[in-house]
Amino acid sequence: KQEVTQIPAALSVPEGENLVLNCSFTDSAIYNLQWFRQDPGKGLTSLLLIQSSQREQTSGRLNASLDKSSGRSTLYIAASQPGDSATYLCAVMGDQFYFGTGTSLTVIP
Amino acid sequence: GAVVSQHPSRVICKSGTSVKIECRSLDFQATTMFWYRQFPKQSLMLMATSNEGSKATYEQGVEKDKFLINHASLTLSTLTVTSAHPEDSSFYICSKDRGGYDTQYFGPGTRLTVL
Repeated sequence: KQEVTQIPAALSVPEGENLVLNCSFTDSAIYNLQWFRQDPGKGLTSLLLIQSSQREQTSGRLNASLDKSSGRSTLYIAASQPGDSATYLCAVMGDQFYFGTGTSLTVIP
Repeated sequence: GAVVSQHPSRVICKSGTSVKIECRSLDFQATTMFWYRQFPKQSLMLMATSNEGSKATYEQGVEKDKFLINHASLTLSTLTVTSAHPEDSSFYICSKDRGGYDTQYFGPGTRLTVL
């Protein structure tokens, strides 16, 4: 069974820092990998989608990479802002969706 | 064990029929649940927020009369796809809000195919 793990579980950084969130998965047979943002009491917001044939995707200050063979993805956030504070989830799509354990990010003004 | 269940896991129906998908919270009560869908090769997108005892809040572009959401009890939310068309074929997932920054609990998903 696919297992998706995110490290670290929580991260606190000062405003302006660049940071990296990690996601690892055990089964490389995936169709795609997605990164989401979760705010308290709200539904998920899709950030980036990487198809299995792709290696990275970029959107604004966000860059996500995918190394399917090693079962890893990273989400890079440049010049972090207090508004980036949220929980970040990765999810892989195989026979079903498998969600990661989440990283709770706090950006300190 | 699973905290959120969905039923059915797969459904195939004819165009024009209605399909009901159930999402159950198996442990604690769920005041707020979310419904998502994913079209092939696209991102998982939020459809609506389901609140127990009140009307659901739909995201922009989601037809509330086509996707009926009922959250009549604290452990059950249902999504009914009315007059389904082939373009409604998608993967539908529900989740339960845990409050604060804790990650949501997700159901296993329902794959809908409309012929």
